[in-house]
Amino acid sequence: ETGVTQSPTHLIKTRGQQVTLRCSSQSGHNTVSWYQQALGQGPQFIFQYYREEENGRGNFPPRFSGLQFPNYSSELNVNALELDDSALYLCASSLGPGRDSNQPQHFGDGTRLSIL
Amino acid sequence: DAKTTQPTSMDCAEGRAANLPCNHSTISGNEYVYWYRQIHSQGPQYIIHGLKNNETNEMASLIITEDRKSSTLILPHATLRDTAVYYCIVRVETDNRLAFGKGNQVVVIP
Repeated sequence: ETGVTQSPTHLIKTRGQQVTLRCSSQSGHNTVSWYQQALGQGPQFIFQYYREEENGRGNFPPRFSGLQFPNYSSELNVNALELDDSALYLCASSLGPGRDSNQPQHFGDGTRLSIL
Repeated sequence: DAKTTQPTSMDCAEGRAANLPCNHSTISGNEYVYWYRQIHSQGPQYIIHGLKNNETNEMASLIITEDRKSSTLILPHATLRDTAVYYCIVRVETDNRLAFGKGNQVVVIP
């Protein structure tokens, strides 16, 4: 069983630039969630994708956007990068929603994004 | 926002059982209790979850009080590799997000 994989592992950008982060979900999972984790804090929910549609969003501005592809992989795009966007970005895959929605989300090891 | 209360940090002795407490006094009847842990520079690792009954798997046991207002995660024989931040999270089955707090920094001491 292949786990959640994310790429790249590290990335350095400057303010104002745009970035795309990628996530391959665990085999058999159809739902992908993205989280942002600032240093010393717990992960914060950005949004979730199910069947290629956004299925819930946290308190993040529209410059954070995403995609999910037919193979359930996903991208997180961030436009007009700000210094505060420096964080670990985590992807998690799961089954659901529906009758399997209580099943756990499984996380990748994240992309460390640094904004200069 | 997180709806659980955990100690900020705790130490545990290697080889002994580690009991990690969590208070969730406002939990609703359809909310599950999830436990994750995060080792430095890695993504959160799922440990266990439950609704009402106690649960056990190869990693840990989850004991939920009868009124469901608190729970305890038990690591039966703590090892140095169990040193991590442990997160206790409550989640409605139909909700799609995990609301992480700051967690409990657990250090296993030789």
